[in-house]
Amino acid sequence: AQRVTQPEKLLSVFKGAPVELKCNYSYSGSPELFWYVQYSRQRLQLLLRHISRESIKGFTADLNKGETSFHLKKPFAQEEDSAMYYCALIKTSGSRLTFGEGTQLTVNP
Amino acid sequence: DAGVTQSPTHLIKTRGQHVTLRCSPISGHKSVSWYQQVLGQGPQFIFQYYEKEERGRGNFPDRFSARQFPNYSSELNVNALLLGDSALYLCASSLTGNLGQPQHFGDGTRLSIL
Repeated sequence: AQRVTQPEKLLSVFKGAPVELKCNYSYSGSPELFWYVQYSRQRLQLLLRHISRESIKGFTADLNKGETSFHLKKPFAQEEDSAMYYCALIKTSGSRLTFGEGTQLTVNP
Repeated sequence: DAGVTQSPTHLIKTRGQHVTLRCSPISGHKSVSWYQQVLGQGPQFIFQYYEKEERGRGNFPDRFSARQFPNYSSELNVNALLLGDSALYLCASSLTGNLGQPQHFGDGTRLSIL
């Protein structure tokens, strides 16, 4: 069964500091991985997906199949990055989107 | 476009009752998915419907059922409610049945079971 683990429920950094939100997955095949974000009083929305290999709002994420990880990184955190972040996975030709439990990021001034 | 709309926003039921939650997707979107989010956890996949057919089902009992209508709106039905069904129920829509496409979420229906 596919599973997504986000080991940190809470993460607090200062503005301008680097930030890394961890995501590990268990799935034996080739998954598609995503980061979804929910800002305060807003809806859950897609931040980025690994197949796009793009940087969104300064965030990047690299799929490491050897370590089965998809950590989200940003070199210089901003206060507006404070939000709940969810890592999610679907398996190849999958019919189910599996979310992790989420990490609440707080960026302090 | 208001985005994905869900109704009602809040609902209170008692154990044993049944409930129907509704979702209207973004115009042009043909896929609707349902998720259950218990406080402090991530969304758990319940169903996906595409072109009025079930495309995927999560690990939920048969008390949970859903359908999609010709206008692509959807209903989630839960029978014989249990206390553990208390949660935020999210609906998401996308253009196609590919869950790898961006899923657009609604605000959810908060269901409380007394």
